[in-house]
Amino acid sequence: GDSVTQMEGPVTLSEEAFLTINCTYTATGYPSLFWYVQYPGEGLQLLLKATKADDKGSNKGFEATYRKETTSFHLEKGSVQVSDSAVYFCALSDRTVGTDKLIFGTGTRLQVFP
Amino acid sequence: NAGVMQNPRHLVRRRGQEARLRCSPMKGHSHVYWYRQLPEEGLKFMVYLQKENIIDESGMPKERFSAEFPKEGPSILRIQQVVRGDSAAYFCASSPRGDSNQPQHFGDGTRLSIL
Repeated sequence: GDSVTQMEGPVTLSEEAFLTINCTYTATGYPSLFWYVQYPGEGLQLLLKATKADDKGSNKGFEATYRKETTSFHLEKGSVQVSDSAVYFCALSDRTVGTDKLIFGTGTRLQVFP
Repeated sequence: NAGVMQNPRHLVRRRGQEARLRCSPMKGHSHVYWYRQLPEEGLKFMVYLQKENIIDESGMPKERFSAEFPKEGPSILRIQQVVRGDSAAYFCASSPRGDSNQPQHFGDGTRLSIL
């Protein structure tokens, strides 16, 4: 079945450092890909998405490109801030094999220190 | 902020009791999804409902768990005869239609603790 694999955390960075969180997926059909962010005690917020190969999603300085050839959707940010500290989830939705349920990775905790 | 509203935020039950979790979707959204997050894990899909219909319950445990989304009122996730392993955060998400181009909007979750 479909699945998402994320790099394990925590990822610990200093403010203004470059961030990469790796995400790869396995899907039968043609999934849409998402990054969600979860702050402590809160629900998930959509960070960005891409619906087809070569699409680039971007928001708040974060970017991710849908790479079909490598089945990847890595999250990047050029300069992180302390306020970016949170747990980041990569997810896919593959309607071609069923409903629009989201399949999540296990999450990557990011800790940014001043 | 008329986002997805879940209540209660925290729920404590003793083993064998029933737990009812409520979710009011965003205004204009008629599709509701429930997910469960065990400690230090990602979210796992449980069930997908439209008004008065269960569309996909492939992630629901076969026993003790049920869900509904009536014509009027919130969606309810019901857990009967709770056990320690049911302790988790339960999140509800809604979308205007069942379309992966319409992202799901999440509530803040209900954290269920079983004594």
